[in-house]
Amino acid sequence: NAGVTQTPKFQVLKTGQSMTLQCAQDMNHEYMSWYRQDPGMGLRLIHYSVGAGITDQGEVPNGYNVSRSTTEDFPLRLLSAAPSQTSVYFCASRVTGITEAFFGQGTRLTVV
Amino acid sequence: GQQVMQIPQYQHVQEGEDFTTYCNSSTTLSNIQWYKQRPGGHPVFLIQLVKSGEVKKQKRLTFQFGEAKKNSSLHITATQTTDVGTYFCAGLQAGGTSYGKLTFGQGTILTVHP
Repeated sequence: NAGVTQTPKFQVLKTGQSMTLQCAQDMNHEYMSWYRQDPGMGLRLIHYSVGAGITDQGEVPNGYNVSRSTTEDFPLRLLSAAPSQTSVYFCASRVTGITEAFFGQGTRLTVV
Repeated sequence: GQQVMQIPQYQHVQEGEDFTTYCNSSTTLSNIQWYKQRPGGHPVFLIQLVKSGEVKKQKRLTFQFGEAKKNSSLHITATQTTDVGTYFCAGLQAGGTSYGKLTFGQGTILTVHP
C-alpha cells in the first residue's frame, strides 16, 4: 500500500517558471489537501478537495491552482513561480469527516 | 478565520525531563488532532480528541482536550532522544462552512539532549 505519493521530492525553479507538483493516493480517500510548510509558520492550507470535481481555497491560495479530475490525483500548479513560494509542500488525504490525515513525503521547492 | 496558536515554538530538554506543548484555538473546535514530524520527514498522526475534557494516553504521551474545546496539550514524561521532532496540533472547526478544514498550529520543535 503506497499511501500518498508526491513527486518530485526536490525542485529548483527560476522566477516566472511554471510547474505542477503531483500527488496521488491509493486509499480511495475523498478528501485531499495541499499545505506549505515554512519555518515558524506551521502547515498552512493552500487548496483542498472534498471529492472529484470539487475544490476550494485554503488560507494561502494565491499563485496556485488545483484540479481534481479523479479520486486518486490532486495536482498543484504554480502558475508563475516567485521566490516567496520557496517552501516545503505536503499533500495529505483522508476519509471525509473527522479522521486522521495521511501525508506524502513532501516536495522541497526552491525558487531562485 | 480560525486560528490555532501553539506554544512554545522551541523547547530544549535534557533526556529524562518532561515536555509540554500547548495549543489554543480562537474558535470552538469539533475535534483536535496531534501530529509528529521527525526532522526531514512528514507529519504523522498521533491521536485525535473529540470530547470535552477528554484525556488520552499513549505510553509516555498524555493528550488533553479542554472543557471548552478551545485548547489542548501534549505532555511527554521522561523524554527520550527518539522524541525529537516537531509536534503539531490541528483543529477542525465546529460547524460553519469550513467543512473538513484542518487548521494547524505553528508547531513546537523539541530537541532532546542526551
